[in-house]
Amino acid sequence: RKEVEQDPGPFNVPEGATVAFNCTYSNSASQSFFWYRQDCRKEPKLLMSVYSSGNEDGRFTAQLNRASQYISLLIRDSKLSDSATYLCVVNADNNAGNMLTFGGGTRLMVKP
Amino acid sequence: DGGITQSPKYLFRKEGQNVTLSCEQNLNHDAMYWYRQDPGQGLRLIYYSQIVNDFQKGDIAEGYSVSREKKESFPLTVTSAQKNPTAFYLCASSTWGYYGYTFGSGTRLTVV
Repeated sequence: RKEVEQDPGPFNVPEGATVAFNCTYSNSASQSFFWYRQDCRKEPKLLMSVYSSGNEDGRFTAQLNRASQYISLLIRDSKLSDSATYLCVVNADNNAGNMLTFGGGTRLMVKP
Repeated sequence: DGGITQSPKYLFRKEGQNVTLSCEQNLNHDAMYWYRQDPGQGLRLIYYSQIVNDFQKGDIAEGYSVSREKKESFPLTVTSAQKNPTAFYLCASSTWGYYGYTFGSGTRLTVV
């Protein structure tokens, strides 16, 4: 079983749609969770951290379910510019807390 | 502005040559990482370093070497032993604790 699993997609949605991505992780000791965005042929960039209580940043909402070891990202009112690959990221169980494990990514394509 | 710089952006290697990819950061981060990404694939960890003069192998270290003589610098050498080096190479850095990574803009290596 992969440590961080995501549906690779692609998710093809029209502009203005709401889309949700899910991610599961295997390490129950994980303490920190992130969503990164990667545009084609570019480096990944931090989109948002994911907190236990859930958190929102504009059109983006992230949720964490520790019991099910499951993270989600909801994008409302999709824009063409949201087209990218979204990486679910979880910290590995190391003392420093700073080793991260990356999921394979979910590709989103927003169409006019 | 603080950041992480990779150079060159594009690199061409002849069969049998060693090449060195540069990664420099001025974020005062303790940890640095090298990843490889093949087209349509996820990130794979090559090497990482949590502290100066110390580094660890990642999942795909064979055919690669690194050094960490300064906190700011973590160069990666792709040796002739790496049989399929054509890929996108990403360097990242992080501080201690449960924070995300900052990535450089990457080096695209092609064997000619």
